[in-house]
Amino acid sequence: GAGVSQSPRYKVAKRGQDVALRCDPISGHVSLFWYQQALGQGPEFLTYFQNEAQLDKSGLPSDRFFAERPEGSVSTLKIQRTQQEDSAVYLCASSPGHLTDTQYFGPGTRLTVL
Amino acid sequence: LAKTTQPISMDSYEGQEVNITCSHNNIATNDYITWYQQFPSQGPRFIIQGYKTKVTNEVASLFIPADRKSSTLSLPRVSLSDTAVYYCLVGVSGNTGKLIFGQGTTLQVKP
Repeated sequence: GAGVSQSPRYKVAKRGQDVALRCDPISGHVSLFWYQQALGQGPEFLTYFQNEAQLDKSGLPSDRFFAERPEGSVSTLKIQRTQQEDSAVYLCASSPGHLTDTQYFGPGTRLTVL
Repeated sequence: LAKTTQPISMDSYEGQEVNITCSHNNIATNDYITWYQQFPSQGPRFIIQGYKTKVTNEVASLFIPADRKSSTLSLPRVSLSDTAVYYCLVGVSGNTGKLIFGQGTTLQVKP
């Protein structure tokens, strides 16, 4: 079946612009995660949803970052007033719902802030 | 969450067996050991998971000694397409299952 998809794959923004990144998880997956991956580093956790509830947002770096999953499926990560340090690949992952379930990652969105 | 240590990089040649060892001295009793693979411009992909002894699937084998303080991912007869970053993860964090990645091991397979 279809895997996790993300759009856009690439986004270039001018400093100060707002951006919205979309994630379509695998159908029926309860858990959805967002990660940020800087160049040459491993992914770092940003936030977690169980269905539509955002249960953990401890990894969001500032209040400019906001995520939602209003109907428990598609999720959007929004970054307001982008800064150069926000340049990274943003990865979305979903899993069936148990703690030790395999997470299935999307291809990521590469954000470049000029 | 157990801290993991693995080599930053490794080189190999096509057709060789590659073993990547990960140290996790403070692994907890309930922790599983999981390996992910990441190709350039792609998200990480689950390879294999184990708790003790040996696990084998169509992609790799995972060897875990009795004390579970380390684990070795074994890739048989690598090809150029196995060039990737390999991450060793131990346990799950908190009550959400979020993954804590280290820097991983960059494997370069040469012809």
